[in-house]
Amino acid sequence: EVVLTQSPATLSLSPGERAILSCRASQSVSNYLAWYQQKPGQAPRLLIYDASSRSTGIPARFSGSGSGTDFTLTISSLEPEDIAVYYCHQRGSWPLTFGGGTKVEI
Amino acid sequence: QVQLQESGPGLVKPSGTLSLTCAVSGGSITSNNWWTWVRQPPGKGLEWIGEIFHSGSTNYNPSLKSRVTISVDKSNNQFSLNLTSVTAADTAIYYCARDFQRFDPWGQGTLVIVSS
Repeated sequence: EVVLTQSPATLSLSPGERAILSCRASQSVSNYLAWYQQKPGQAPRLLIYDASSRSTGIPARFSGSGSGTDFTLTISSLEPEDIAVYYCHQRGSWPLTFGGGTKVEI
Repeated sequence: QVQLQESGPGLVKPSGTLSLTCAVSGGSITSNNWWTWVRQPPGKGLEWIGEIFHSGSTNYNPSLKSRVTISVDKSNNQFSLNLTSVTAADTAIYYCARDFQRFDPWGQGTLVIVSS
């Protein structure tokens, strides 16, 4: 099973700052890596798929990069509505797995 | 656009069977997608349970495989989850989602509590 390790566990920033979230896989998942945003009381929402492709309707301030075992989600300029937990998810190897999440606070 | 809605009992007794249904609207369950179940214990992270294609092909998480069955009902455009021999550790919000190389969209989720 591929273990996804997300860091940091919590990220405390101010509006307008850049947020950099990391996801490291225990073995290569190629580019089969997605990022989801989950706000309190809501279902997860797809942000990024295939490591760097932005989902429909997702603001341009969200971007993804990486391949193999190291991936990054960047929020270029943090908005108050970006307060959420962010999960990475791999589908490069069975079973499909999720990271433990990074909580973004403002 | 495609929308998903979970339904089922919110309370299940220990050792019983958890049964949920995910109704698909705005699209056909026979489209070229897989359909998946994910769960989230209160205050914790996400766990993939398994998925099904409209042909009936399935993939399950090995950690749950012995207790899980996912089935599809094409006539009602829905798919279902059965989880047997439940314990308190199965208490979670259960989500269904469309899977076409990524999970999108998701249902709103339904909380299932395992308790006597």
